[in-house]
Order: sequence, then C-alpha cells, then structure tokens
Amino acid sequence: EVQLVESGGGVVRPGGSLRLSCAASGFTFEDFGMSWVRQSPGRGLEWVSGITWNGGRKGYADSVKGRFTISRDNAKSSLFLQMNGLRAEDTALYYCARAEYTGYDTRFDSWGQGTLVTVSS
Amino acid sequence: DIQMTQSPSTLSASVGDRVTITCRASESISSWLAWYQQKPGKAPKLLIYKASSLESGVPLRFSGSGSGTEFTLTISSLQPDDFATYYCQQYNTYSTFGQGTKVEVK
Repeated sequence: EVQLVESGGGVVRPGGSLRLSCAASGFTFEDFGMSWVRQSPGRGLEWVSGITWNGGRKGYADSVKGRFTISRDNAKSSLFLQMNGLRAEDTALYYCARAEYTGYDTRFDSWGQGTLVTVSS
Repeated sequence: DIQMTQSPSTLSASVGDRVTITCRASESISSWLAWYQQKPGKAPKLLIYKASSLESGVPLRFSGSGSGTEFTLTISSLQPDDFATYYCQQYNTYSTFGQGTKVEVK
C-alpha cells in the first residue's frame, strides 16, 4: 500500500523558515516524480513545486519561486521542501503527492494527509 | 499561467440525481485534465485522468468528457458517499486546479 507521511509543519513568523519532509513507502520511490500541493481556505488547491524521479528537473509556482527549494533523497525514500522567506499567504496545509510517472507535470495518484504550516506574528 | 474555472461553485442535489460539473481552461490543454474528489479532513482522491479515463477502483457512475478548453465530470446517479467537493486539474503546463465544486444535500 502506498503511504506518504508529511512532517515538519508548524507555526513560524513572517520571514522565517521551515523544512517539510515526506516519507514514502509501499512503492519504488525512485520510479516516480513527486510534488508538493498546498490548500488554504482562501486559495484552494495550489501546486507548489515538483521534482522528477532523479531530481534532474524541478519546477515551482511563481508564488514561491526563489523562496522554496524542493529536493529528494531516493536512498531514504524521502521528499523535502525547504521554505524560506515565509509570508502570511503561505499559510496552508501542505500535501506531498505522487505523480503517475517519472515527471511531475501530471496527475497525482496518491496523496499524504498533509502538514499544516501557519505563518503568523 | 493557465487558469481553471469550475461551475457551479455549489450544487444541491438528491440521491439518484444525475450531476454535471463543468471545468473551463483559459487556453487549450488538449486532454490533460484530471478530476479529484475531496471529503472534509481528507486528501483529494483521483477519479478521472486524461479527461475521460477512469482511475482504477472508481465506480462506473463517474465519467469525464471534453477536450481543448471545456470539460465535464458527470455522476450518473448520485450516491450518499458522493457528497463532497470536486476539483479539476490541468497538467498540460505545470499544474493548476479549479476552485472546486461542493456537492451538497438538497
């Protein structure tokens, strides 16, 4: 059974940093692209960032470009999102999502339960 | 960026009703469209991909159609488990989601 478990969320002040992690199990992690998708009441579902199976290609939403960095460790079946320069509008539930092939610009066939990030002073 | 617009935002229906939700893209996305169902406190669940292909395990009462800029999700006979929020997603260029359609009890 595919499992994606996010961690690392919390409360942070504007301008602060957080590092999200996603631990994957139940499938061969290195065979799939991965993405982070966030959800907030005001902005709905928003794709944040994606990474190909080997980390060779990465993509970011304009809203986070230059502030967030996605990475992965295939040996540890883990996905990461380093978030710097956090803003109030980054407050959301962050989901880790598996792409249905080696890229990330595709449908997402498995999702974690999310980790909550709150940016507030 | 490609914008996705769903309609309606809320839909009131009864068990057994035929339900149709529309999703429009701001430019052509060919058939690179998916539909998800989300229930409160849960992650989205993939229902339909490539506009009309049914994900494994999804009931046959769900179907999708369309190409280019206009797409529909149809539930042929609404069941109690289907009251939820539905989202479309384009994956022609990166990924963008619609704002969601909540299907509620009439």
